[in-house]
Amino acid sequence: EMQLLESGGGLVQPGGSLRLSCVGSGFTFSSYAMHWVRQAPGKGLEWVSSIGGAGVSTDYADSVRGRFTISRDNSKKTLYLQMNSLRAEDTAVYYCAKDRDIIVAVAHGIDSWGQGTLLTVSS
Amino acid sequence: QSVLTQPPSVSAAPGQKVTISCSGSGSNIANNFVSWYQHVPGTAPKLLIYDDDHRPSGIPDRFSGSKSGTSATLGITGLQTGDEADYYCGTWDTSMKNCVFGSGTKLTVL
Repeated sequence: EMQLLESGGGLVQPGGSLRLSCVGSGFTFSSYAMHWVRQAPGKGLEWVSSIGGAGVSTDYADSVRGRFTISRDNSKKTLYLQMNSLRAEDTAVYYCAKDRDIIVAVAHGIDSWGQGTLLTVSS
Repeated sequence: QSVLTQPPSVSAAPGQKVTISCSGSGSNIANNFVSWYQHVPGTAPKLLIYDDDHRPSGIPDRFSGSKSGTSATLGITGLQTGDEADYYCGTWDTSMKNCVFGSGTKLTVL
């Protein structure tokens, strides 16, 4: 069974930094692209960032580009999201998610999601 | 504002059928595969449909997907109270070089 377990959420002051982690199990981690998707309170799902299976290709939503960095360590089966210059509008539940393909742009869908980790940005 | 537009809410009685639309453009739906997700708040979203009209194993055939031009549709037949959730379409936008999700539709089974 595929499983994704996020960690690292918490309360951060505006302008602060935080790193989220996500450990995958039950599948060949390096063979699949991975995503971070978030849901702000009372809002819908918002795609944040993606990374290809090899860790070379990355994409970002305009709202986080230049502030967030996605990376992965395939030897540790772990996905990361480094978040800097955090803003109140980054407050959300952050989901780690697995793509059905090694490349994101083929849009074959996201077939496994973690339970999410809550980030609150507030003074 | 999402580039994929969905109705904010739909409702129907148990046992009935409902459809949820997802409207996009030539840079997303028209030229890329569409997926559909079910999300009960507080839980992990679930993939219902991938590649426009394919169901993952374990998803009942009450759920179906279709696509025509710049629009996609999720159909749910034999509605059950357990189907109450938020539903999202998703795809890749070639111009934005982004994954995109629809605005979401809340399904109420009356």
